[in-house]
Amino acid sequence: DTAVSQTPKYLVTQMGNDKSIKCEQNLGHDTMYWYKQDSKKFLKIMFSYNNKELIINETVPNRFSPKSPDKAHLNLHINSLELGDSAVYFCASSQDGSGRYIGTDTQYFGPGTRLTVL
Amino acid sequence: AQTVTQSQPEMSVQEAETVTLSCTYDTSESDYYLFWYKQPPSRQMILVIRQEAYKQQNATENRFSVNFQKAAKSFSLKISDSQLGDAAMYFCAYLRGGTYKYIFGTGTRLKVLA
Repeated sequence: DTAVSQTPKYLVTQMGNDKSIKCEQNLGHDTMYWYKQDSKKFLKIMFSYNNKELIINETVPNRFSPKSPDKAHLNLHINSLELGDSAVYFCASSQDGSGRYIGTDTQYFGPGTRLTVL
Repeated sequence: AQTVTQSQPEMSVQEAETVTLSCTYDTSESDYYLFWYKQPPSRQMILVIRQEAYKQQNATENRFSVNFQKAAKSFSLKISDSQLGDAAMYFCAYLRGGTYKYIFGTGTRLKVLA
């Protein structure tokens, strides 16, 4: 009964390769997110999708491309991997409308994917 | 731009004692939300507590409570009766009302000593 799941949990790959990380939520939430946590544990949002529409796109290299085939899934594809892409990537989801304002609700995180680029 | 500052990179507490983790933020908004998340070694991000800025009453969740000082833009987390399982990184996060974008602090590593 995992709420937000990510696959794989660990990913080790060579520079220059292309890889994907998958995320699924079974909470019925409207919005999904990708975060990057660097080696110093700093967490920064990368992308967000609301009902399959891109709503947040931070300053991220265009080698990173999110795809949301449906409301319950948000995948992250990374082309031409670089050493600096090594990090833990978290997927998260939240429900619209239950807070005072749309969008302002608690985000629930997946277990993270540790990506190591050699 | 909004910022979140956690000035304590690391804290230690004796088991069964109380510890307070600090968080300050900078915003010109009046409607926003504040959160504390816990990240144990398993790296799972777990919500500890949430506070709506328009509510004056401090949020509490069992042994966890906050001291929300809106004028001072301060949002500290108090953990009472600390347990070994409380050892983790703790992140403070800010969310402006009507938006989806969390802004996280840099985290505080909490060690619990037996």
